[in-house]
Amino acid sequence: GAVVSQHPSRVICKSGTSVKIECRSLDFQATTMFWYRQFPKQSLMLMATSNEGSKATYEQGVEKDKFLINHASLTLSTLTVTSAHPEDSSFYICSACELASTDTQYFGPGTRLTVL
Amino acid sequence: GENVEQHPSTLSVQEGDSAVIKCTYSDSASNYFPWYKQELGKGPQLIIDIRSNVGEKKDQRIAVTLNKTAKHFSLHITETQPEDSAVYFCAASKDSGNTPLVFGKGTRLSVIA
Repeated sequence: GAVVSQHPSRVICKSGTSVKIECRSLDFQATTMFWYRQFPKQSLMLMATSNEGSKATYEQGVEKDKFLINHASLTLSTLTVTSAHPEDSSFYICSACELASTDTQYFGPGTRLTVL
Repeated sequence: GENVEQHPSTLSVQEGDSAVIKCTYSDSASNYFPWYKQELGKGPQLIIDIRSNVGEKKDQRIAVTLNKTAKHFSLHITETQPEDSAVYFCAASKDSGNTPLVFGKGTRLSVIA
C-alpha cells in the first residue's frame, strides 16, 4: 500500500515550452501533497504544499506563476512548469500524506526534467 | 523555522560493519523524524521513522534513536550489505501529516564488498 506515482518519469523539452507533471496516490486519498525539487547531489527543497480544493502554498523564492499547481482531487496533483528554461532542469519529486492518518509522507519516483 | 543538520556527508564502510548517521534539529516543537533512502535516479523511500514519544525504534538491521533533550537523532545500520549503498536523508516535521518535512543534506553511504 501507500504507493505514489509520477508521470512522466522523464521529459526533455525546448526552452519556452510548458511541461505538466502528474502526481497520483494510487491506493489512498491525500488531502495534502508536497512538491520538491532536487538538484544533482543536493537535498530535497520544498517548492509548495498542495491542498485539495484550495490554492497551493508556495515557499519563499518559488514563483507561483511559473510553477502552477492544481490539486483537483484527493488522488491527483499536477505541477506545470510554464515557459521552461534550462535553469528549470531538475528532478521534481512529489509526496503525499494519507488522509487523516499519521505523519508519514510517501514519495513518488520523481520526474527528470531537462530543458534544452 | 526548522533547520536540520546531517553528518557525515559521505561514509564508506566495509561490508558487514555498522554505519551510523547523525542529525540534529533546531525546533523543539518537531515531533516526527523519518529517514529516507534514495537510490540514483529514484524517489526517496521511507526506511524507518520515529516520533517524539519514543526514544528508540528498530526494524531488523535498521534502528533509529532520538534524544529530545539534545535535539538529535541517529540512524544505525548493522551488518551492512552492498545494496545498502545509497544516499540517506533525515528529516523533521511537527504537528501533523500536513506539515512539510525539512530535510538534512544527505549522507552518501558506500558499502565496500
